[in-house]
Amino acid sequence: DQQVKQNSPSLSVQEGRISILNCDYTNSMFDYFLWYKKYPAEGPTFLISISSIKDKNEDGRFTVFLNKSAKHLSLHIVPSQPGDSAVYFCAASARKASGTYKYIFGTGTRLKVLA
Amino acid sequence: DVKVTQSSRYLVKRTGEKVFLECVQDMDHENMFWYRQDPGLGLRLIYFSYDVKMKEKGDIPEGYSVSREKKERFSLILESASTNQTSMYLCASSASLSSGNTIYFGEGSWLTVV
Repeated sequence: DQQVKQNSPSLSVQEGRISILNCDYTNSMFDYFLWYKKYPAEGPTFLISISSIKDKNEDGRFTVFLNKSAKHLSLHIVPSQPGDSAVYFCAASARKASGTYKYIFGTGTRLKVLA
Repeated sequence: DVKVTQSSRYLVKRTGEKVFLECVQDMDHENMFWYRQDPGLGLRLIYFSYDVKMKEKGDIPEGYSVSREKKERFSLILESASTNQTSMYLCASSASLSSGNTIYFGEGSWLTVV
């Protein structure tokens, strides 16, 4: 049961254009969402996050949008640069019955920015 | 700067060997995690620890155990390595047990079991 889904395994975008990466979730208890970027043979690096009480968070070229009614979040990268080529993971967290927090990751989307 | 260090980047082990993957964080974080990453499956949680000597199973704990004797160190143990445990292993840490905390990852350990 995949609670966090990234339905597009890959995406190609021209340099300078907008990249839009999408993520859907099923658990309405998720209250915090994160995006990570991963280069080959490296660990994921944190990119941007959003709390469920917000619908938008912006940091430089990166903006995350959250649509709670649709259980959908997206990451916008504008303008896209070749160095943005990587695998992007979305993640969601929710409090468990034990009181601990669980982070669920999607399967990733490979972004290729073409020069 | 946040730092999560995994001691071994690349390992090749034989089937049946006992394998230790070590992870150290320098942020005084309470929580530490072990994930594995496989193509098409994303990041899957093996175990996590929310305090010294405390642990909780993740989604795929079978074949693994963990040890957290000190706050800064979290070890993943493969008691008897098998070929289906060939994967990239990622250690991570985060601050206190509340939502809104970012997980910080190490650089990963590539394990090949032959």
